[in-house]
Amino acid sequence: NAGVTQTPKFQVLKTGQSMTLQCAQDMNHNSMYWYRQDPGMGLRLIYYSASEGTTDKGEVPNGYNVSRLNKREFSLRLESAAPSQTSVYFCASSVQGGVYEQYFGPGTRLTVT
Amino acid sequence: GEDVEQSLFLSVREGDSSVINCTYTDSSSTYLYWYKQEPGAGLQLLTYIFSNMDMKQDQRLTVLLNKKDKHLSLRIADTQTGDSAIYFCAESRNNNAGNMLTFGGGTRLMVKP
Repeated sequence: NAGVTQTPKFQVLKTGQSMTLQCAQDMNHNSMYWYRQDPGMGLRLIYYSASEGTTDKGEVPNGYNVSRLNKREFSLRLESAAPSQTSVYFCASSVQGGVYEQYFGPGTRLTVT
Repeated sequence: GEDVEQSLFLSVREGDSSVINCTYTDSSSTYLYWYKQEPGAGLQLLTYIFSNMDMKQDQRLTVLLNKKDKHLSLRIADTQTGDSAIYFCAESRNNNAGNMLTFGGGTRLMVKP
């Protein structure tokens, strides 16, 4: 049982390049989330998916798109990367919406130059 | 609006107690959480408290909630060097669309031997 996995672990992009961050969970969870973590700012929610087939914006969605490919996988896409998107990105999942515990992946460290 | 605040840094000696404080503004929060992040890793849930409780104890951890002042604290008894990490408080509102967590900026706990 791997829990929540993320790829890649590290990535360097040039301004304007695109990339997709991958996330998968093997816990049969319904809800999945993407956060970014910046120093001193905690985690901020980018997008979430309450269940397969649905996605909704979080606090900081601009510059990102998401796809809930199936129940296991939730990807985050940067269409045209900007230096302001340099951050550590975390994917998380929970059994369902409500107040259930969220389980986090190990993170992807992204640098945009 | 939502705002969760924590002090940035706390240093204690091994064997002492640590108290990490957090203030929040959303009075409709249903659960409040403490997460721990070790270097290079994702967040891991330590403990949580329901908003109608004022105290919860779990082994070396004690959570105190003052709902009137919107103040949450985490006490770690007999702090060990392995407790060195960043601690995040988070609040959650019951939202059928998903478990919407708002995180504080994190408190870095350093435990000196």
